[in-house]
Amino acid sequence: AQTVTQSQPEMSVQEAETVTLSCTYDTSESDYYLFWYKQPPSRQMILVIRQEAYKQQNATENRFSVNFQKAAKSFSLKISDSQLGDAAMYFCAYPTSGTYKYIFGTGTRLKVLA
Amino acid sequence: ETGVTQTPRHLVMGMTNKKSLKCEQHLGHNAMYWYKQSAKKPLELMFVYNFKEQTENNSVPSRFSPECPNSSHLFLHLHTLQPEDSALYLCASSQRGGRIAGELFFGEGSRLTVL
Repeated sequence: AQTVTQSQPEMSVQEAETVTLSCTYDTSESDYYLFWYKQPPSRQMILVIRQEAYKQQNATENRFSVNFQKAAKSFSLKISDSQLGDAAMYFCAYPTSGTYKYIFGTGTRLKVLA
Repeated sequence: ETGVTQTPRHLVMGMTNKKSLKCEQHLGHNAMYWYKQSAKKPLELMFVYNFKEQTENNSVPSRFSPECPNSSHLFLHLHTLQPEDSALYLCASSQRGGRIAGELFFGEGSRLTVL
């Protein structure tokens, strides 16, 4: 079965520091996408970054980057120079190929300390 | 203006009431989704519509009834709900599906409380 696991219910980071959020997944597919979504308090969920499984290069979007290890089925999100606005729930998601089913993890609540 | 708009943002209803949640997307997408978000649980996919056709019903109880009159609008009709149905209901849309999944665009959600 395809699953997504986020083992860190909550993380804290000092402003301007770096934090890494973990995500592991299970799939038998060879070609797929992985996503990280951010849900700020009482605001809509938005895409942070996406990774294509066939690309060996890790995706980067400004202060956000991923460490994608396909063999280990690991997809962690690194946030550099953390800002107060980064405080949110972060969800790792995997859309199953051939369907519209996106499988989400349980989320990690990130707190940014001033 | 957000690309996906949900109304109402908050709804309180009794178990015998009938109410509806509305979702509208202004992005020209062809797929629309209803998700249920409960505390400390993964997002639960409820329904998927692709080009107005329902392509997924994830074993949702019949007290939840979706309706998709066109590719831009999605409704979730609620009837005789239970207190455990209290949750945040998220609408989303995407442009691509099938082999390669596209990004999901979410609304802000409708917070439902069932008394």
